[in-house]
Amino acid sequence: AQKITQTQPGMFVQEKEAVTLDCTYDTSDPSYGLFWYKQPSSGEMIFLIYQGSYDQQNATEGRYSLNFQKARKSANLVISASQLGDSAMYFCAMREWNSGNTPLVFGKGTRLSVIA
Amino acid sequence: EPEVTQTPSHQVTQMGQEVILRCVPISNHLYFYWYRQILGQKVEFLVSFYNNEISEKSEIFDDQFSVERPDGSNFTLKIRSTKLEDSAMYFCASSGVSASSYEQYFGPGTRLTVT
Repeated sequence: AQKITQTQPGMFVQEKEAVTLDCTYDTSDPSYGLFWYKQPSSGEMIFLIYQGSYDQQNATEGRYSLNFQKARKSANLVISASQLGDSAMYFCAMREWNSGNTPLVFGKGTRLSVIA
Repeated sequence: EPEVTQTPSHQVTQMGQEVILRCVPISNHLYFYWYRQILGQKVEFLVSFYNNEISEKSEIFDDQFSVERPDGSNFTLKIRSTKLEDSAMYFCASSGVSASSYEQYFGPGTRLTVT
């Protein structure tokens, strides 16, 4: 069963505008973590932001924030003030903690293109 | 800032050949992982390694694959007899000093091309 769903294969955003990348997840484990990674054309995986299932507040890291809606099982990434350098693939991922240090499960990704 | 390194950055090999992909995880990390990403697709988990043994592996990680930590620093992925469908980017990752360490640090990847 698909554990991470990213429904937007591609998104366009004007430079300096904000953009939301959608992610929904499926788990029965009450303890889990949600991650967003950026993959530029060079191929490396860059960690952006993390949200724990018990965190009371939405995570923020600079221009990145995570809109965590636990009841809806969604963990959308919001990028504010988009820059040309934000053009990349963005992957949502999850880890479940019920059995220790488990691997990440990734979604299919969203390709973000920032337009000048 | 400490980082995960991987060598080589790109490897081209002929079908049926053995390849070894190398990784140096962050030095005080205890958990190590290999993931792969076929071009244009999502990142998929292959195997995790802890305390000198495999802790979890996916269906992809069949008998053609093996992992080793031959010394205190390197972590290797071996593919015994490569197939065309093994062409992918292979990422090594490591994570922290306890089971609750949440972040996995990824290396830059090795692009494997099987011809």
